[in-house]
Amino acid sequence: EAQVTQNPRYLITVTGKKLTVTCSQNMNHEYMSWYRQDPGLGLRQIYYSMNVEVTDKGDVPEGYKVSRKEKRNFPLILESPSPNQTSLYFCASSSRDRGDTDTQYFGPGTRLTVL
Amino acid sequence: AQSVAQPEDQVNVAEGNPLTVKCTYSVSGNPYLFWYVQYPNRGLQFLLKYITGDNLVKGSYGFEAEFNKSQTSFHLKKPSALVSDSALYFCADDYKLSFGAGTTVTVRA
Repeated sequence: EAQVTQNPRYLITVTGKKLTVTCSQNMNHEYMSWYRQDPGLGLRQIYYSMNVEVTDKGDVPEGYKVSRKEKRNFPLILESPSPNQTSLYFCASSSRDRGDTDTQYFGPGTRLTVL
Repeated sequence: AQSVAQPEDQVNVAEGNPLTVKCTYSVSGNPYLFWYVQYPNRGLQFLLKYITGDNLVKGSYGFEAEFNKSQTSFHLKKPSALVSDSALYFCADDYKLSFGAGTTVTVRA
C-alpha cells in the first residue's frame, strides 16, 4: 500500500530537548516536504527536498533542520524545541513528472507539544 | 507570500444544498492547482487537481472545481452537500506548494 508514515504521532516534550520526527514514503517519490499546521494559518512549508542530498528552506524554517540521505526518508529535527513550535506537523511526498510536482501524499500528522 | 487565498474561514450549508468553497490564485502563467480535504484528526487527502485542459475538473466524493483564468479562481463545488462533507478544505498551488489558510465547511442536517 502506497503511504507516507510519520513517527511519533503524538509527542509531549520540554523546551530544549532535542527531538526528531521521522518520515518515510514507499512510493519512490523524489520530492518530500514538511509542513506545520496552525489554526487560522493553514499549512506552512518548513523545508522541502527535491531529491537525495538536496534540501531547501520553505516559508518557516527557523528552529528546524532536515536531512535527506535516502530517497525514502526525510526526518525533521528540532535541535532545541521551544513552545512556539507546538503544532501539528505533516510530512508529504510527490513525484516530479514534467519537472513539476504532482499530487502530494500526506502522512497522518504528528502532534507536538513543547512545554 | 502565499500564492493562493481562501477568502472564507467558514462555510455553512444545509444538507442537500449546493456547496461552494472559494479559492483565488495569484500565480502567473499556467498554474497547477489542487484541492485537499482534512477530516477531524486525520491527514490531508487529495480531492482533485487542475493542470491543463478542461476548466471543469471532477474529483473524489462528488466534488468538482472550476478553473477560471479571467477571475483567477479555482472554486470547489458540490451540487448536493452531505453531513459527511463537514471538514477543513485547503486549496494549494504548485508554485512553492503554497496552501491557503483553509475553509471549515459545516453541513447541517
